[in-house]
Amino acid sequence: KNEVEQSPQNLTAQEGEFITINCSYSVGISALHWLQQHPGGGIVSLFMLSSGKKKHGRLIATINIQEKHSSLHITASHPRDSAVYICAVLNYGGSQGNLIFGKGTKLSVKP
Amino acid sequence: KAGVTQTPRYLIKTRGQQVTLSCSPISGHRSVSWYQQTPGQGLQFLFEYFSETQRNKGNFPGRFSGRQFSNSRSEMNVSTLELGDSALYLCASSKGEHGETQYFGPGTRLLVL
Repeated sequence: KNEVEQSPQNLTAQEGEFITINCSYSVGISALHWLQQHPGGGIVSLFMLSSGKKKHGRLIATINIQEKHSSLHITASHPRDSAVYICAVLNYGGSQGNLIFGKGTKLSVKP
Repeated sequence: KAGVTQTPRYLIKTRGQQVTLSCSPISGHRSVSWYQQTPGQGLQFLFEYFSETQRNKGNFPGRFSGRQFSNSRSEMNVSTLELGDSALYLCASSKGEHGETQYFGPGTRLLVL
């Protein structure tokens, strides 16, 4: 079993829809990252969370440490949100770079 | 501020050859981490360098190695290339504090024939 599980693997939405991507993990963590990867490979870090909730524009990320679960929400989705969204966790006590990644959720938003 | 840069962007090699990839971090960043991304395994951590020292290493064979220079630029080397080494190699930089945001480069796409 992977230490970081994401669901769904693939998601197709209509423009304007509210989107939720889920991430569950089985290890103790000190931080959780949500990353966005566009076709071509470039990765952008969206959020880094250790507790609670963060919001940036139409994106909201939440984390429940007790339940070992995080969600990424996109409100009023747009075709430019189409990308792969990756959850990554930093193992508690682990070194800075040693992230453990989920397999990613491929989001396609249709106009 | 300039972002993380990686060179080359694309590379084709044959089995048995060796390859060196380069990563220049954001100015002021002392930590550079390397990752391999393949369709089958997804993203996997290779190693992290901080102030010219390898701070952590993932589960990759000894054919994968790296180093960091005094200006924080980093290189990774893969010797005796195998077909399965075909991947996107990404580096990311940060100031080096635990858990902080990393900034990713565009990646080097390596194809081994």
